[in-house]
Amino acid sequence: DVQLVESGGGLVQPGGSLRLSCAASGFTFSDYSMNWVRQAPGKEPEWVAYMSARLNTITYADSVRGRFTISRDNDRQSLYLQMTSLRVEDTAVYYCARGEGFPDSWGQGTLVTVSS
Amino acid sequence: DIQMTQSPSTLSASIGDRVTITCRASQSVSQWLAWYQQKPGKAPKLLIYKASTLEDGVPSRFSGSGSGTEFTFTISSLQPDDFATYYCQQYNIFRTFGQGTKVEIK
Repeated sequence: DVQLVESGGGLVQPGGSLRLSCAASGFTFSDYSMNWVRQAPGKEPEWVAYMSARLNTITYADSVRGRFTISRDNDRQSLYLQMTSLRVEDTAVYYCARGEGFPDSWGQGTLVTVSS
Repeated sequence: DIQMTQSPSTLSASIGDRVTITCRASQSVSQWLAWYQQKPGKAPKLLIYKASTLEDGVPSRFSGSGSGTEFTFTISSLQPDDFATYYCQQYNIFRTFGQGTKVEIK
């Protein structure tokens, strides 16, 4: 079975940094594009970042470009999101999601709270 | 950015009802539209992609149609497990979600 397990969320002050990880299993990680999608409380999901399978395409939402960095380690079957200069409005559950365009598998999410 | 607008925002229905949700895009997304179901505290679940293609394992009571800027999502006979929030999502240019439609028990 496909499994995506996020970790690294927590409480951080505005201006702080956090690194999220996503451990993948049950499929050949290197064959798939991967995404980070977040969802603020009571809101619709919002795409954050995308990385193609072959590492040649990375895309960020305007709201995080220049502050967040997506990366992957195919040998470790892991996806990462380095978040810096965090803002209150970055508070959300962050999901790791597999696939191009329309992710077909999602993790359970990790909560990031930005507050002083 | 492409904006996605769903209607209605909330829908009250009974078991066995036919339910229809509309999703409009601010510009054409061709057929590059997906539908998700989300229950409280859970991740979204893919139901339909490419406007009308049913994801493997999804019951046939779910269907989608449309192209360009107008799309429809239908549940032919509402079941107890279907009470949830539904989102459309375009993937023609980057990816954006609609604001969601909550299907409640009438």
